[in-house]
Amino acid sequence: DGGITQSPKYLFRKEGQNVTLSCEQNLNHDAMYWYRQDPGQGLRLIYYSQIVNDFQKGDIAEGYSVSREKKESFPLTVTSAQKNPTAFYLCASKRQGITSAEAFFGQGTRLTVV
Amino acid sequence: QQQVKQSPQSLIVQKGGIPIINCAYENTAFDYFPWYQQFPGKGPALLIAIRPDVSEKKEGRFTISFNKSAKQFSLHIMDSQPGDSATYFCAASMNYGGSQGNLIFGKGTKLSVKP
Repeated sequence: DGGITQSPKYLFRKEGQNVTLSCEQNLNHDAMYWYRQDPGQGLRLIYYSQIVNDFQKGDIAEGYSVSREKKESFPLTVTSAQKNPTAFYLCASKRQGITSAEAFFGQGTRLTVV
Repeated sequence: QQQVKQSPQSLIVQKGGIPIINCAYENTAFDYFPWYQQFPGKGPALLIAIRPDVSEKKEGRFTISFNKSAKQFSLHIMDSQPGDSATYFCAASMNYGGSQGNLIFGKGTKLSVKP
């Protein structure tokens, strides 16, 4: 079954801690994305990657970091510099270079600061 | 210029009603307009999409109307059912530039269909 998998589903972070959210896809997509979802705010782009070993900042990249060492994987680290990290995080992938290509989303990770 | 404005924020209709969700954009470089449906605790999934060279697209009970001159598009759900209760996002993307293919999302509309 092709798809995009995020883990864990729920994550708790203590103040001052870095945490890493996993995103893996087996759809052979070049482009991968991380979005943050807050109530009433829609989906805001954190980082995106259109090719392995390259990534770009989105609209709200401060306090986050990513890597793209493999085509299948695009992990997101929420650093201690992110002052308000509690949110629902969504990873997506799509075929690069085709505007009308469908974006496939994972099931999300809900991060809570404790 | 990169925003997509969506309204209303929430919508309650009776079963069988026709909810309408509206979106507006400024950037005329956008050339692809999808709608995504999201159920609680899940990731969004593509529902229906349109390109600006057509004024309407229908898939089952879901219809997109597109007004290029007004830079507006809307989603209509015919004969709405309680199972349609979800959050709906409009989006837009363009086919060139460094952000080619990146989706710009509206803020979402939470739809509730009452039995």
